[in-house]
Amino acid sequence: EVQLVESGGNVVRPGGSLRLSCAASGFTFDDYGMSWVRQAPGKGLEWVSGITWNGGSTGYADSVKGRFTISRDNAKNSLYLQMNSLRAEDTAFYYCARARGTDPDMVATGYFDYWGQGTLVTVSS
Amino acid sequence: SYVLTQPPSVSVAPGQTARITCGGNNIGSKIVHWYQQKPGQAPVLVVYDDSDRPSGIPERFSGSNSGNTATLTISRVEAGDEADYYCQVWDSSSDHPVFGGGTKLTVL
Repeated sequence: EVQLVESGGNVVRPGGSLRLSCAASGFTFDDYGMSWVRQAPGKGLEWVSGITWNGGSTGYADSVKGRFTISRDNAKNSLYLQMNSLRAEDTAFYYCARARGTDPDMVATGYFDYWGQGTLVTVSS
Repeated sequence: SYVLTQPPSVSVAPGQTARITCGGNNIGSKIVHWYQQKPGQAPVLVVYDDSDRPSGIPERFSGSNSGNTATLTISRVEAGDEADYYCQVWDSSSDHPVFGGGTKLTVL
Protein backbone atom coordinates (compact mmCIF):
# COMPACT_ATOMS: atom_id res chain seq x y z
CA GLU A 1 0.00 0.00 0.00
CA VAL A 2 1.35 3.40 -1.00
CA GLN A 3 1.78 5.70 2.00
CA LEU A 4 3.03 9.26 2.19
CA VAL A 5 3.38 10.74 5.66
CA GLU A 6 4.28 14.39 6.09
CA SER A 7 5.80 15.89 9.22
CA GLY A 8 7.44 19.09 10.39
CA GLY A 9 4.53 21.49 10.31
CA ASN A 10 4.47 24.02 13.12
CA VAL A 11 3.77 27.60 14.12
CA VAL A 12 6.60 29.92 13.07
CA ARG A 13 7.12 33.67 13.11
CA PRO A 14 7.33 35.71 9.89
CA GLY A 15 10.86 35.55 8.54
CA GLY A 16 11.46 32.20 10.18
CA SER A 17 12.37 28.82 8.71
CA LEU A 18 10.89 25.35 8.74
CA ARG A 19 11.77 22.01 7.18
CA LEU A 20 9.03 19.63 6.11
CA SER A 21 9.58 15.93 5.54
CA CYS A 22 7.59 13.29 3.69
CA ALA A 23 8.24 9.60 4.40
CA ALA A 24 7.26 7.32 1.53
CA SER A 25 6.52 3.60 1.64
CA GLY A 26 4.79 0.91 -0.37
CA PHE A 27 6.45 1.73 -3.68
CA THR A 28 9.88 2.13 -5.24
CA PHE A 29 10.52 5.73 -4.25
CA ASP A 30 13.27 6.46 -6.75
CA ASP A 31 11.03 5.48 -9.67
CA TYR A 32 8.90 8.59 -9.21
CA GLY A 33 9.03 12.32 -9.27
CA MET A 34 7.48 14.03 -6.27
CA SER A 35 5.86 17.36 -5.50
CA TRP A 36 4.63 19.56 -2.68
CA VAL A 37 1.15 21.07 -3.02
CA ARG A 38 -0.32 23.45 -0.46
CA GLN A 39 -3.78 24.59 0.52
CA ALA A 40 -4.46 27.67 2.60
CA PRO A 41 -7.35 27.17 5.05
CA GLY A 42 -10.63 27.33 3.13
CA LYS A 43 -8.84 27.92 -0.19
CA GLY A 44 -7.87 25.91 -3.26
CA LEU A 45 -4.85 23.84 -4.20
CA GLU A 46 -1.55 25.45 -5.21
CA TRP A 47 1.45 23.55 -6.54
CA VAL A 48 4.55 24.65 -4.64
CA SER A 49 7.51 22.64 -5.86
CA GLY A 50 8.52 19.44 -7.61
CA ILE A 51 11.55 17.23 -8.12
CA THR A 52 12.43 14.49 -10.58
CA TRP A 53 13.14 10.90 -9.56
CA ASN A 54 16.87 11.45 -9.14
CA GLY A 55 16.79 15.03 -7.96
CA GLY A 56 18.32 16.15 -11.23
CA SER A 57 15.63 18.75 -11.90
CA THR A 58 13.55 20.87 -9.57
CA GLY A 59 10.80 23.44 -10.07
CA TYR A 60 9.13 26.10 -7.97
CA ALA A 61 6.05 28.26 -8.06
CA ASP A 62 6.88 31.94 -8.47
CA SER A 63 5.41 32.60 -5.01
CA VAL A 64 8.14 30.55 -3.30
CA LYS A 65 11.06 30.74 -5.72
CA GLY A 66 14.25 31.77 -3.94
CA ARG A 67 12.79 31.02 -0.49
CA PHE A 68 11.94 27.30 -0.62
CA THR A 69 14.19 24.39 -1.56
CA ILE A 70 12.99 20.90 -2.42
CA SER A 71 15.23 17.86 -2.04
CA ARG A 72 15.03 14.11 -1.67
CA ASP A 73 17.03 11.26 -0.17
CA ASN A 74 16.25 8.10 -2.12
CA ALA A 75 18.21 5.97 0.35
CA LYS A 76 15.80 7.10 3.07
CA ASN A 77 12.67 7.15 0.87
CA SER A 78 12.14 10.73 1.92
CA LEU A 79 11.16 14.05 0.38
CA TYR A 80 11.93 17.42 1.98
CA LEU A 81 10.94 21.06 1.70
CA GLN A 82 13.17 23.66 3.31
CA MET A 83 11.18 26.84 3.79
CA ASN A 84 12.99 30.09 4.58
CA SER A 85 11.86 33.71 4.92
CA LEU A 86 8.35 32.54 5.70
CA ARG A 87 5.44 34.92 5.24
CA ALA A 88 1.89 34.98 6.56
CA GLU A 89 0.65 33.98 3.10
CA ASP A 90 2.62 30.72 3.35
CA THR A 91 0.18 29.54 6.02
CA ALA A 92 -1.36 26.36 4.65
CA PHE A 93 -1.61 22.62 4.77
CA TYR A 94 1.33 21.18 2.83
CA TYR A 95 0.78 17.89 1.02
CA CYS A 96 3.41 15.72 -0.59
CA ALA A 97 2.21 13.97 -3.72
CA ARG A 98 3.56 11.32 -6.07
CA ALA A 99 3.81 12.38 -9.70
CA ARG A 100 2.69 10.13 -12.56
CA GLY A 101 2.32 10.41 -16.30
CA THR A 102 5.29 12.68 -16.46
CA ASP A 103 8.47 12.81 -18.50
CA PRO A 104 11.05 11.37 -16.06
CA ASP A 105 13.46 14.23 -16.70
CA MET A 106 10.89 16.97 -16.28
CA VAL A 107 9.14 18.19 -13.16
CA ALA A 108 5.47 17.39 -12.61
CA THR A 109 4.20 17.44 -16.20
CA GLY A 110 1.50 14.85 -15.43
CA TYR A 111 -0.79 14.20 -12.50
CA PHE A 112 -0.61 13.28 -8.81
CA ASP A 113 -1.87 9.81 -8.04
CA TYR A 114 -1.17 9.56 -4.29
CA TRP A 115 -1.22 12.28 -1.64
CA GLY A 116 -0.24 12.39 2.00
CA GLN A 117 -2.60 13.64 4.71
CA GLY A 118 -0.81 16.96 4.96
CA THR A 119 1.01 18.95 7.62
CA LEU A 120 -0.05 22.41 8.79
CA VAL A 121 2.31 25.35 8.63
CA THR A 122 1.16 28.49 10.40
CA VAL A 123 3.15 31.69 9.98
CA SER A 124 2.12 34.19 12.62
CA SER A 125 3.62 36.63 15.06
CA SER B 1 0.38 31.89 -16.45
CA TYR B 2 -2.45 29.65 -17.61
CA VAL B 3 -5.80 30.16 -15.84
CA LEU B 4 -8.37 27.45 -15.18
CA THR B 5 -11.89 28.64 -14.34
CA GLN B 6 -14.36 26.49 -12.41
CA PRO B 7 -17.83 27.40 -11.11
CA PRO B 8 -17.70 27.87 -7.32
CA SER B 9 -20.61 25.53 -6.75
CA VAL B 10 -22.82 22.93 -8.41
CA SER B 11 -25.92 21.38 -6.85
CA VAL B 12 -27.65 18.20 -7.90
CA ALA B 13 -30.27 15.84 -6.53
CA PRO B 14 -29.35 12.25 -5.69
CA GLY B 15 -29.53 9.97 -8.71
CA GLN B 16 -29.11 12.83 -11.16
CA THR B 17 -26.06 13.75 -13.24
CA ALA B 18 -23.58 16.41 -12.13
CA ARG B 19 -21.39 18.20 -14.64
CA ILE B 20 -18.47 20.24 -13.37
CA THR B 21 -16.72 22.41 -15.93
CA CYS B 22 -13.15 23.64 -16.15
CA GLY B 23 -12.56 26.46 -18.60
CA GLY B 24 -9.26 27.49 -20.13
CA ASN B 25 -7.92 28.96 -23.33
CA ASN B 26 -7.81 26.07 -25.83
CA ILE B 27 -7.81 23.60 -22.93
CA GLY B 28 -8.67 20.88 -25.45
CA SER B 29 -5.01 20.95 -26.49
CA LYS B 30 -3.93 20.15 -22.94
CA ILE B 31 -4.31 17.05 -20.77
CA VAL B 32 -6.70 17.50 -17.86
CA HIS B 33 -6.82 15.71 -14.52
CA TRP B 34 -9.49 15.84 -11.80
CA TYR B 35 -9.31 15.47 -8.00
CA GLN B 36 -11.98 15.02 -5.36
CA GLN B 37 -11.42 16.43 -1.87
CA LYS B 38 -13.76 15.74 1.02
CA PRO B 39 -13.68 17.94 4.15
CA GLY B 40 -10.62 17.32 6.28
CA GLN B 41 -9.12 14.87 3.80
CA ALA B 42 -6.37 14.89 1.18
CA PRO B 43 -7.28 15.15 -2.50
CA VAL B 44 -7.97 11.93 -4.39
CA LEU B 45 -7.38 11.50 -8.12
CA VAL B 46 -10.68 10.58 -9.84
CA VAL B 47 -9.90 11.16 -13.54
CA TYR B 48 -6.55 11.47 -15.31
CA ASP B 49 -5.49 12.08 -18.89
CA ASP B 50 -8.85 13.73 -19.71
CA SER B 51 -10.99 10.61 -19.32
CA ASP B 52 -9.19 7.70 -17.65
CA ARG B 53 -10.16 6.45 -14.20
CA PRO B 54 -7.73 5.15 -11.57
CA SER B 55 -8.49 1.72 -10.18
CA GLY B 56 -11.11 1.91 -7.46
CA ILE B 57 -12.90 4.94 -8.88
CA PRO B 58 -16.50 4.12 -9.89
CA GLU B 59 -17.48 4.15 -13.55
CA ARG B 60 -19.96 6.89 -12.62
CA PHE B 61 -17.04 9.30 -12.86
CA SER B 62 -16.05 10.30 -16.39
CA GLY B 63 -14.23 13.13 -18.10
CA SER B 64 -14.14 14.90 -21.44
CA ASN B 65 -12.12 17.72 -22.90
CA SER B 66 -12.63 19.79 -26.03
CA GLY B 67 -12.28 23.35 -27.21
CA ASN B 68 -12.17 25.71 -24.24
CA THR B 69 -13.91 23.45 -21.71
CA ALA B 70 -13.12 20.23 -19.88
CA THR B 71 -15.94 18.50 -18.01
CA LEU B 72 -16.10 16.07 -15.13
CA THR B 73 -19.38 14.15 -15.24
CA ILE B 74 -20.69 12.24 -12.25
CA SER B 75 -23.64 10.00 -13.09
CA ARG B 76 -26.18 8.72 -10.59
CA VAL B 77 -24.88 11.08 -7.93
CA GLU B 78 -24.76 9.79 -4.36
CA ALA B 79 -24.57 11.63 -1.06
CA GLY B 80 -20.99 10.42 -0.69
CA ASP B 81 -19.97 12.35 -3.81
CA GLU B 82 -20.42 15.64 -1.98
CA ALA B 83 -16.96 17.22 -2.05
CA ASP B 84 -14.76 19.85 -3.65
CA TYR B 85 -13.52 19.00 -7.14
CA TYR B 86 -10.39 20.46 -8.76
CA CYS B 87 -9.16 20.29 -12.34
CA GLN B 88 -5.43 20.41 -13.12
CA VAL B 89 -3.23 20.76 -16.18
CA TRP B 90 0.45 21.27 -16.85
CA ASP B 91 1.19 24.73 -18.16
CA SER B 92 4.06 24.62 -20.61
CA SER B 93 4.52 28.39 -20.57
CA SER B 94 5.23 28.55 -16.84
CA ASP B 95 6.57 25.00 -16.73
CA HIS B 96 4.50 23.93 -13.77
CA PRO B 97 1.13 22.39 -12.85
CA VAL B 98 -1.90 24.62 -12.50
CA PHE B 99 -5.08 23.90 -10.54
CA GLY B 100 -8.53 25.34 -11.06
CA GLY B 101 -10.12 27.21 -8.19
CA GLY B 102 -12.32 24.26 -7.25
CA THR B 103 -16.04 23.50 -7.36
CA LYS B 104 -18.10 22.54 -4.34
CA LEU B 105 -20.56 19.80 -5.27
CA THR B 106 -23.65 19.78 -3.08
CA VAL B 107 -26.02 16.83 -3.14
CA LEU B 108 -29.49 18.14 -2.34
